[in-house]
Amino acid sequence: SQQGEEDPQALSIQEGENATMNCSYKTSINNLQWYRQNSGRGLVHLILIRSNEREKHSGRLRVTLDTSKKSSSLLITASRAADTASYFCATQETSGSRLTFGEGTQLTVNP
Amino acid sequence: SQTIHQWPATLVQPVGSPLSLECTVEGTSNPNLYWYRQAAGRGLQLLFYSVGIGQISSEVPQNLSASRPQDRQFILSSKKLLLSDSGFYLCAWRAEFKLTGRGTYEQYFGPGTRLTVT
Repeated sequence: SQQGEEDPQALSIQEGENATMNCSYKTSINNLQWYRQNSGRGLVHLILIRSNEREKHSGRLRVTLDTSKKSSSLLITASRAADTASYFCATQETSGSRLTFGEGTQLTVNP
Repeated sequence: SQTIHQWPATLVQPVGSPLSLECTVEGTSNPNLYWYRQAAGRGLQLLFYSVGIGQISSEVPQNLSASRPQDRQFILSSKKLLLSDSGFYLCAWRAEFKLTGRGTYEQYFGPGTRLTVT
């Protein structure tokens, strides 16, 4: 079964609003990563948060990690139409280097 | 800098025909390479990964096979395609995340191949 599960599956907001996506996982992890995928394209790495970190920022992105709840959230502030894409969380387990991807959240930002 | 190429970009093949998708990486040596399949609107399913020439690990039993004839070349094949093989195929290589040190990895993805089996 998938390690990461994103919630919601789809999210539609207006430009300028904030978008929050959540990810839950099942096993102990070394780190959790978020990727973005534009329609019909490959995935692009956005941000990585290690298991000993609780929050990380990169531009308009803010990621939180709660290892006690085995969950993470990705917040995109002041969203733009160009942020429209699918967003995936991926976990690297403590026991290896493989990444396990979730099912993704489809974000639509309406202009 | 490192780049990853996949071809073809799109492919329409009849059921029962063979398949060969190619992935090549530039700018790095001895990379770990991965093949994923993505169904429409879904997440990524890891199909194969390779840690070196001739070394292939299969994640799920299926109609597909993979080979790594050269250090930076990874090929996904099938002798006879099934309808269920349709999907978006992504190749990726693994890089160690420099900022956080050893043991932390991220993956770089190619542009993908859209395969439709008819």
